[in-house]
Amino acid sequence: LAKTTQPISMDSYEGQEVNITCSHNNIATNDYITWYQQFPSQGPRFIIQGYKTKVTNEVASLFIPADRKSSTLSLPRVSLSDTAVYYCLVGDGGQGNLIFGKGTKLSVKP
Amino acid sequence: GAVVSQHPSWVICKSGTSVKIECRSLDFQATTMFWYRQFPKQSLMLMATSNEGSKATYEQGVEKDKFLINHASLTLSTLTVTSAHPEDSSFYICSAVQGAGVRSYEQYFGPGTRLTVT
Repeated sequence: LAKTTQPISMDSYEGQEVNITCSHNNIATNDYITWYQQFPSQGPRFIIQGYKTKVTNEVASLFIPADRKSSTLSLPRVSLSDTAVYYCLVGDGGQGNLIFGKGTKLSVKP
Repeated sequence: GAVVSQHPSWVICKSGTSVKIECRSLDFQATTMFWYRQFPKQSLMLMATSNEGSKATYEQGVEKDKFLINHASLTLSTLTVTSAHPEDSSFYICSAVQGAGVRSYEQYFGPGTRLTVT
């Protein structure tokens, strides 16, 4: 099982770009990298998923270097509503091998 | 699309009673569903993997006789906490995987169920 390491917490201000990096040194060939956002007392919400290079959607970008041992979630121009816990997971699909780490608690200040 | 619902959203029960939590995929078929437990200010902990039509696979340390999982259809999985005790009080979250046998997947989570055992 690939383990992930993320910063425990990050602070930012409204309008700034936030980059959260996740280390996954033991990622397997079949593993995808997925990021989730969780607000208190809610289920995690899918943000973005990628395998290599760069992926972008309407809310975030995901940067994955060639060795895939890390990944960076980029949130452009964060707002107060982006205050949440962000989880980085690696796994190969519906095999039940997604292990949630401690996540990164992002606090966005006005 | 890809919406997962849970019912109830919160429940209070007395110690020794059983509680059933439902997890439904509303607009897709989910051959695999997962059940997680989350204690306050902690991360999600996988409890079991539920496959439609077969027995659930439990993670180490999770009592299968206490946490009964039934995945009777492609859109419904249930978790029954039997003989609940105060230490079972937690936030229970289910998730569902859309599609089967695909490499790239997205795991869709339900809104969670807050269980309080008094």
